[in-house]
Amino acid sequence: DVQMTQSPSSVSASVGDRVTITCRASQGILRWLAWYQQKPGKAPKLLIYAASSLQSGVPSRFSGSGSGTDFTLTISSLQPEDFATYYCQQANSFPPWTFGQGTKVEIK
Amino acid sequence: QVQLQESGPGLVKPSDPLSLTCTVSGGSISSYYWSWIRQPPGKGLEWIGYIYYSGSTKYNPSLKSRVTISVDTSKNQFSLELNSLTAADTAVYYCARHREDCTGGSCYHWFDTWGPGTLVTVSS
Repeated sequence: DVQMTQSPSSVSASVGDRVTITCRASQGILRWLAWYQQKPGKAPKLLIYAASSLQSGVPSRFSGSGSGTDFTLTISSLQPEDFATYYCQQANSFPPWTFGQGTKVEIK
Repeated sequence: QVQLQESGPGLVKPSDPLSLTCTVSGGSISSYYWSWIRQPPGKGLEWIGYIYYSGSTKYNPSLKSRVTISVDTSKNQFSLELNSLTAADTAVYYCARHREDCTGGSCYHWFDTWGPGTLVTVSS
């Protein structure tokens, strides 16, 4: 299985801050990576797919980059509704598709 | 807009089987892939398996011996059966629709629509 490792596990930030989350794959996955946002008690929501493509309806303050083994999710200006846990998912090596362990974005 | 809804028992005894159903509304189950994904309390996400509307399936090798996913296109539903439950199977179970992107002869899958999830507790 491809192991996905996210860092940091949690980050404290203020509204308006720029936040960057990293996801590293245990082997190259080209650009086949997605990012999801999950709020407490809710299902995950697809934000970005194919490393950098924004899912329809997702605000442009979210962006993704990377290829191979190293990827980043950036929130350019953190909004109150962005406090959540973020997961990466690799889609290159299957089965199984695998997720990172999550990064919690908390209010400073 | 398509919506998914999981249904099934919230409490299952150890060693008993689990049966969950996902009902798709606002759209057809046809022409899509559909997955089950679970999340133990306070932990990350684990993909369980998928079914294509035609009936073809693929499972996570770690669960393959205990999992069966089936589809009923006449009811716009697909189902999960998981056998020989233990406490480690306690989780929120989600059903999800795939978004498929194909390029260079290969296809890549993401999960673009999810049900709200249902908590399944394995306990005597």
